[in-house]
Amino acid sequence: GDSVTQMEGPVTLSEEAFLTINCTYTATGYPSLFWYVQYPGEGLQLLLKATKADDKGSNKGFEATYRKETTSFHLEKGSVQVSDSAVYFCALRINTGNQFYFGTGTSLTVIP
Amino acid sequence: DAGVIQSPRHEVTEMGQEVTLRCKPISGHDYLFWYRQTMMRGLELLIYFNNNVPIDDSGMPEDRFSAKMPNASFSTLKIQPSEPRDSAVYFCASRTGYPPNQPQHFGDGTRLSIL
Repeated sequence: GDSVTQMEGPVTLSEEAFLTINCTYTATGYPSLFWYVQYPGEGLQLLLKATKADDKGSNKGFEATYRKETTSFHLEKGSVQVSDSAVYFCALRINTGNQFYFGTGTSLTVIP
Repeated sequence: DAGVIQSPRHEVTEMGQEVTLRCKPISGHDYLFWYRQTMMRGLELLIYFNNNVPIDDSGMPEDRFSAKMPNASFSTLKIQPSEPRDSAVYFCASRTGYPPNQPQHFGDGTRLSIL
């Protein structure tokens, strides 16, 4: 079946450190891939997306590249800030369907 | 633009009581989703609607849960009777079906505590 697996947290980094959150997927069709971010007490917000292989999504210094050969969509940021502390969710949507499949979320804490 | 609006933001009630959660999707969005988030199980899709019609309710945990969408601008998720294990954050999300590949937009959630 269709699913997303992302690295377990929590992740704690110092400010300005490099961030990678791994995400791999299993899909029966041709998925679009998404990263959502959830700040404390709020709903999920779209961070970035990629709709086909080799596309790179980017936003607010975050990037993720849709790698079909490794079925991955890892989230990266070169220099994290305290304000990046949140829970990050990887998600996929099969283009022929309507349902989103979310990973379990990875909690990130950035310390000054 | 107004986002997805959920009410109430917080609900505390006693076991056995009926709970009704409300959602107003973004205007023009024809898909509406209800999710439940817990520490143990993460984010779970409960049910989704397309053009006010329930399409997939396989995620609804029990008959105690029911959801309706009487019109394009309003949906409810009802739990009757409520139990302590229903305590969670419930999110509503909506999206448009066209153009394709559009993301879901989430509300801020309802934090439900059943005592």
